[in-house]
Amino acid sequence: DGGITQSPKYLFRKEGQNVTLSCEQNLNHDAMYWYRQDPGQGLRLIYYSQIVNDFQKGDIAEGYSVSREKKESFPLTVTSAQKNPTAFYLCASSDREGKAYEQYFGPGTRLTVT
Amino acid sequence: QKEVEQNSGPLSVPEGAIASLNCTYSDRGSQSFFWYRQYSGKSPELIMSIYSNGDKEDGRFTAQLNKASQYVSLLIRDSQPSDSATYLCAVSGLRGGNKLTFGTGTQLKVEL
Repeated sequence: DGGITQSPKYLFRKEGQNVTLSCEQNLNHDAMYWYRQDPGQGLRLIYYSQIVNDFQKGDIAEGYSVSREKKESFPLTVTSAQKNPTAFYLCASSDREGKAYEQYFGPGTRLTVT
Repeated sequence: QKEVEQNSGPLSVPEGAIASLNCTYSDRGSQSFFWYRQYSGKSPELIMSIYSNGDKEDGRFTAQLNKASQYVSLLIRDSQPSDSATYLCAVSGLRGGNKLTFGTGTQLKVEL
């Protein structure tokens, strides 16, 4: 089955710790995205990558970092510099050709920092 | 003014009725439009995409686009309790490229 996996589903961390969220896709999509969703708010773009070894900041990149060493993988690190890290984190991917704008989401990781 | 605007709801409709969800966007240069369904605690699921003016039908869902009015809507016919969810409108091309800008979503409740 093709799809996007995110792990873990729930993650708990102490304030001041960095944490890395996993995102893997086997859809052969070139582009991958990270979003954050807070209650009552829409999805906000953190980082995106159009191709391996290249990525760009989204609207709220401060306190986050990413890497794109493989086409299938786009991990997100939430650093201690992120002021309000508790949120629902969603990874998505899309093709670069054809229906390039259709993004498909993974199941998400719910991060709680105390 | 928000870039993509939706009424937060909740929108309540009786089972079997037509649910009408609306979305407006700020940039006339927007190119592609999407509706996602998100159940509570779950991730968004793409249910409709529309790229040109007019209607696009898929089963019980119809997306309507009017670029002149900067308006996109989603109609759900024969609404079922399983349609109860938050519906997110997303628009691409607002700032170029294939990035999506999302509205905050409309909560739909289908009542028995």
